[in-house]
Formats: sequence, structure tokens, C-alpha cells
Amino acid sequence: NAGVTQTPKFRVLKTGQSMTLLCAQDMNHEYMYWYRQDPGMGLRLIHYSVGEGTTAKGEVPDGYNVSRLKKQNFLLGLESAAPSQTSVYFCASSYLERTGELFFGEGSRLTVL
Amino acid sequence: AQSVTQLGSHVSVSEGALVLLRCNYSSSVPPYLFWYVQYPNQGLQLLLKYTSAATLVKGINGFEAEFKKSETSFHLTKPSAHMSDAAEYFCAATTSGTYKYIFGTGTRLKVLA
Repeated sequence: NAGVTQTPKFRVLKTGQSMTLLCAQDMNHEYMYWYRQDPGMGLRLIHYSVGEGTTAKGEVPDGYNVSRLKKQNFLLGLESAAPSQTSVYFCASSYLERTGELFFGEGSRLTVL
Repeated sequence: AQSVTQLGSHVSVSEGALVLLRCNYSSSVPPYLFWYVQYPNQGLQLLLKYTSAATLVKGINGFEAEFKKSETSFHLTKPSAHMSDAAEYFCAATTSGTYKYIFGTGTRLKVLA
């Protein structure tokens, strides 16, 4: 099983460029999440989805958009990248049961110049 | 509001010594609590979880944690540190009825030879 797969793993952007991060899970999980990880700040929730066709804002949603057109995929978009969006981005998914743990991808390191 | 606090962003122990990583939570309802470990350039993986069953929870790699409601704590321990335990550890919480997981800011464990 691949689990949670993120692409790309590394990307360098110039300010103002756009890009999309793709997260794919093969565990049939209902819930999917996008986090960003910055030194000393832990993981902060950007957006999440509780099922196909649904999305919701997390703690730090500004500057990001998401879509969940298929249950197994959760896309994170940056329409106009800013240096403040330089970070490591993690996708995670979990079981429908609410005590289920999160399964994480390996991360996508984004640098915005 | 729910919150998770990890005391000590960096902890150093000698190989073979006790590992103690501290986590305190704030929640108005019974929480579900998790410890995750992150090795360099990898995603987070679950060490153990508390979901209102036994208060002493055993996880992988010899780690365990005890839920203490009176102290609102969920500290992670391991009797004897190994060099391979060097990593960053995150405490996280969620509650029934929400899809959001709140993470602490992480504790980086260094194991000295």
C-alpha cells in the first residue's frame, strides 16, 4: 500500500506564480487535511475535507484554495505565491471514526523566492 | 478553546537514560490524545493514542504515555533511550464531534552517546 502520497516533493516558485500540490490516498479515508509546518510553530491546519465534494477552512487558510473532486485526492492550490508561504506542507487522512489517527504523507517542501 | 502545550522545544538525554517528553492539553470535553514522531525529512507517524480506554497507553518502539485528567497531562516516556529515538515528537489532540486535530509545537529529542 502506498498510503498517502504527495507530489511534488520539492518546488521552487517565484513570487506571484501559482501551483498545485496533489495528495492521493489509497486507504478509502473520508477525512483529508492539509497542514503547513514551520520551525517552532508545529503543524497548522490550512484546509480540510470531511468527504468528497466538501472542503472547510482551517487555522491558516488565507492564500490557499483546495478541492476534493474525488474521494482519494485532495488538492492544495496557491494562486499567487508569497515568500510567507515558504514551508513544508503535509497532507494527512484519517478514518471516518473520530478517534482515528492521522496518516501523513512525506511532505512537500515549497520555497517562494 | 482546545490547545496543546509541549514543554521544552529541545530535550537531550544520554543513551540508556529515561526519556520524558511533556504534553499538557486544554479541553472542555474529554479529549483523544496522540503522540507522533517525525524523523528527518519524513512525515509524521503515530507512536500511540489515548481514546478513553486505559489511561496508560503503550506504543511502538517501547514508548508509553499516561493520561492524567487531574493534571491535564499526557506525558511520553521511554525507560531507556536509544540513538534511533532521536527525532521530533508531537503531541496532538482532538475531541468527539470535531474533525480537527490540534498539534503542539513539537519537542526535538537528542540522544547523546
